[in-house]
Amino acid sequence: EVQLLESGGGLAQPGGSLRLSCAASGFTFSSYTMTWVRQAPGKGLEWVSAISGSGGSTSYADSVKGRFTISRDNSKNTLYLQMNSLRAEDTAVYYCARPPRADGSETYLFEYWGQGTLVTVSS
Amino acid sequence: DIQMTQSPSTLSASVGDRVTITCRASQSISSWLAWYQQKPGKAPKLLIYKASGLESGVPSRFSGSGSGTEFTLTISSLQPDDFATYYCQQYNSYSRTFGQGTEVEIK
Repeated sequence: EVQLLESGGGLAQPGGSLRLSCAASGFTFSSYTMTWVRQAPGKGLEWVSAISGSGGSTSYADSVKGRFTISRDNSKNTLYLQMNSLRAEDTAVYYCARPPRADGSETYLFEYWGQGTLVTVSS
Repeated sequence: DIQMTQSPSTLSASVGDRVTITCRASQSISSWLAWYQQKPGKAPKLLIYKASGLESGVPSRFSGSGSGTEFTLTISSLQPDDFATYYCQQYNSYSRTFGQGTEVEIK
C-alpha cells in the first residue's frame, strides 16, 4: 500500500525557516517524480515544487523560487522541502503527492497524497 | 502560465440532482485535465484523469468530458457523500495549475 506521511510543520516567524519531510512507503520511491502542493486556509490548491526520481531535476513555482529547496534521500525514502525566508502568505497545509506511474507519463497527475502538514507563518 | 477557470464557484444542489461543473483553460491543453474531490480536512482525491478517464474505485456517476480548452465534470445523480469541493488541474505544461475550486453544497 502506498503511504505518504508528511511532518515538520509548525509555527515559524516571518523570515524564518522550516524543513518539511515526507516519508514514503509501499513503492519504489526512487522511480517517481515527487511533488509538493500547498493549500492556504480556505483557499485552493497550489503546486509548489517537484523533483525527479534521481533528484537531478527540480522545478519551483514562481512564488517560492529562490526561497524553497526541494530534495530527496532515496536511501531513506524521504522527500524534503526546505523553506527559508518564510512569509505570511506561505501559511498553508503542505501535501506531498505522487503520480500514478513511474514511466514519466502524466508525471504531474497526482494519484496519491499524504495527509498534509500545517505551516503557520506569524509573529 | 496556463490559467484554469472553474464555474460556478459554488453550486447548491439536492440529492439526486444532475450536477455539471465547467473548467476552462486559457490555452489548449489537449486532454491533460484531471478532476479532484476534496472534503474538509482531507487531502484531494483523484476522480478523473486525461479529461474522461475514471480513476479506479470512483463511482460511475462521475464522468468527465472535453478537450482543448473546455471541460466538464458531471455527477449524474448527486449522493450525500458527494458534497465536497471539486478542483480541475491541467498537467500539460510547466505550471501544472489548478482551478480555484467549486464547492457543491446542500440545497
